[in-house]
Amino acid sequence: QVQLKESGPGLVQPSQTLSLTCTVSGFSLTTNSVHWVRQPPGEGLEWVGTIWSGGNTDYNSVLTSRLTISRDTSKSQVFLEMSSLQTEDTAIYFCTRSFRNWFAYWGQGTLVTVSS
Amino acid sequence: EIVLTQSPTTITASPGGKVTITCRASSSVSYMYWYQQKPGASPKPWIYDTSKLASGVPSRFSGSGSGASYSLTINTMETVDAATYFCQQWSSTPPTFGSGTKLEIK
Repeated sequence: QVQLKESGPGLVQPSQTLSLTCTVSGFSLTTNSVHWVRQPPGEGLEWVGTIWSGGNTDYNSVLTSRLTISRDTSKSQVFLEMSSLQTEDTAIYFCTRSFRNWFAYWGQGTLVTVSS
Repeated sequence: EIVLTQSPTTITASPGGKVTITCRASSSVSYMYWYQQKPGASPKPWIYDTSKLASGVPSRFSGSGSGASYSLTINTMETVDAATYFCQQWSSTPPTFGSGTKLEIK
């Protein structure tokens, strides 16, 4: 079955770079797109970015200067790197797989806290 | 980007009652999608293509709408339905979400 699992550091210092990994199973990254969505504690959902099945990427315009999404198809992993982190980036980061235009499968999420 | 405005922000309903959550888009969208989220859990896909129920979603839920106005309705609400519901569109990039409606049980 389709599974996604996020992993990452949990705590990041301000101005540092966040690196997250999404490990997927049950489907191929070469035929499915994976997206990152984040949710500040107690708040709503925000699309972060997408790596399409062909390897192209799209990013939220407010994050594009700090964001890189990549993948290793042989390891079934998708990576998120976000630089210059600020406290406003504190959130649960989810990786998701879409089906047409909706987020049909979600990982459990990983909480990232930006704090010194 | 298309802004989605959900109302109400919070709603309290009694078991057995009927609940309607509204999602209004700043521009017309082709379809609306809905998610249910409970505390400490990931959002669950709930309704897709405006009115189709995701696998496992009880038939007391329904979705409707067109253009810029959409709604999620629960007929005969149950205590297990207490959660936050989010709408989402991807008729244009970026995909956007509503701010959520918290459904509480009276």
